[in-house]
Amino acid sequence: DTAVSQTPKYLVTQMGNDKSIKCEQNLGHDTMYWYKQDSKKFLKIMFSYNNKELIINETVPNRFSPKSPDKAHLNLHINSLELGDSAVYFCASSQDEGSANTGELFFGEGSRLTVL
Amino acid sequence: LAKTTQPISMDSYEGQEVNITCSHNNIATNDYITWYQQFPSQGPRFIIQGYKTKVTNEVASLFIPADRKSSTLSLPRVSLSDTAVYYCLGLDSNYQLIWGAGTKLIIKP
Repeated sequence: DTAVSQTPKYLVTQMGNDKSIKCEQNLGHDTMYWYKQDSKKFLKIMFSYNNKELIINETVPNRFSPKSPDKAHLNLHINSLELGDSAVYFCASSQDEGSANTGELFFGEGSRLTVL
Repeated sequence: LAKTTQPISMDSYEGQEVNITCSHNNIATNDYITWYQQFPSQGPRFIIQGYKTKVTNEVASLFIPADRKSSTLSLPRVSLSDTAVYYCLGLDSNYQLIWGAGTKLIIKP
């Protein structure tokens, strides 16, 4: 069984559309994340949820809205897509919220979003 | 803010030991150093984490000197499948991992 699964794997859409990416983890972790990896391969954290509560919300446009129906799921909804939103989006989970010896993050396979 | 610096790319050959060094001059007193591996079209995967001296697991060894201003990831006897990007990660003020460009390691036959 895949520990962290996200769908869809590929998403091609037009500017201005609204789209969602779903993420599920079966590890029993309390914390889930969304990361964006741009064309230069830098990973940037977007959001972090602990037990369905938002704990980190980095500076991302409010067109991006995460939703966590339960602690095993963290979905990402994007409104009014722009060209610059094209990237690979990774979902991840961890047991702990974050500490000096921050534990292992488990990543999904990524969802490649292309905005035309 | 523990920013890290590591080589952009490295080449090696199958069967060799590969050492990737990372500098982290501003590492906080309590912070650990973490290394991840990422294959093309996959999510990053945790390799190893350490605080000081030496840590070893089934995949790699991590050497951190006493001043903790650098660390070295050692991959023993690499194979072609070890071709990947390797990230050396520090932490920000929220204890979240800081991702740089990583080191693109290419293993040749």
